[in-house]
Amino acid sequence: NAGVMQNPRHLVRRRGQEARLRCSPMKGHSHVYWYRQLPEEGLKFMVYLQKENIIDESGMPKERFSAEFPKEGPSILRIQQVVRGDSAAYFCASSLTTGQLVEQFFGPGTRLTVL
Amino acid sequence: GNSVTQMEGPVTLSEEAFLTINCTYTATGYPSLFWYVQYPGEGLQLLLKATKADDKGSNKGFEATYRKETTSFHLEKGSVQVSDSAVYFCALSGGDDKIIFGKGTRLHILP
Repeated sequence: NAGVMQNPRHLVRRRGQEARLRCSPMKGHSHVYWYRQLPEEGLKFMVYLQKENIIDESGMPKERFSAEFPKEGPSILRIQQVVRGDSAAYFCASSLTTGQLVEQFFGPGTRLTVL
Repeated sequence: GNSVTQMEGPVTLSEEAFLTINCTYTATGYPSLFWYVQYPGEGLQLLLKATKADDKGSNKGFEATYRKETTSFHLEKGSVQVSDSAVYFCALSGGDDKIIFGKGTRLHILP
């Protein structure tokens, strides 16, 4: 059973460009979470999605950031008009169900560098 | 709100030394507590967890006990190896969807 897959692993963008980060959850998992890790910081929750629905986006910046998890295909985190401060590692996690006792399985992350 | 505080690194130890990484938390209710490990260039892996007071989580020689009276979940290992070099994150889940992470502690083990 393949783990959580993320691509690309490394992404370089110039200021003002768009960044698209993809996450394929583990087989059978319908709950996806995105976290951001700034340099020398812990992971910070951004958004939680189920198939076709955003459940909790309390950690998402109000502008330029969006996320989706369509019925078919991977979850996408989109960052429009990137700025240097968006440079970070973005991790996706998935789970079979939800709740505080449920383990979230993490992908290897996408490291975004904004020049 | 919920939060996690863990000791700052880096922590450098010799092989076979005893390890403690301190972690304290602030939370309403009864959170679940976790330690995650991140090896270089990789994502996070769950190392161990505890879901209620006085529970002890253990894995790969690492242990941590959920202490509600001191709101702590310190990570310990009796004899570390070079392969334990990584970043360790203390975290909690408080009943909603998100996991709250500490800032991480980088551990270097010297041969």
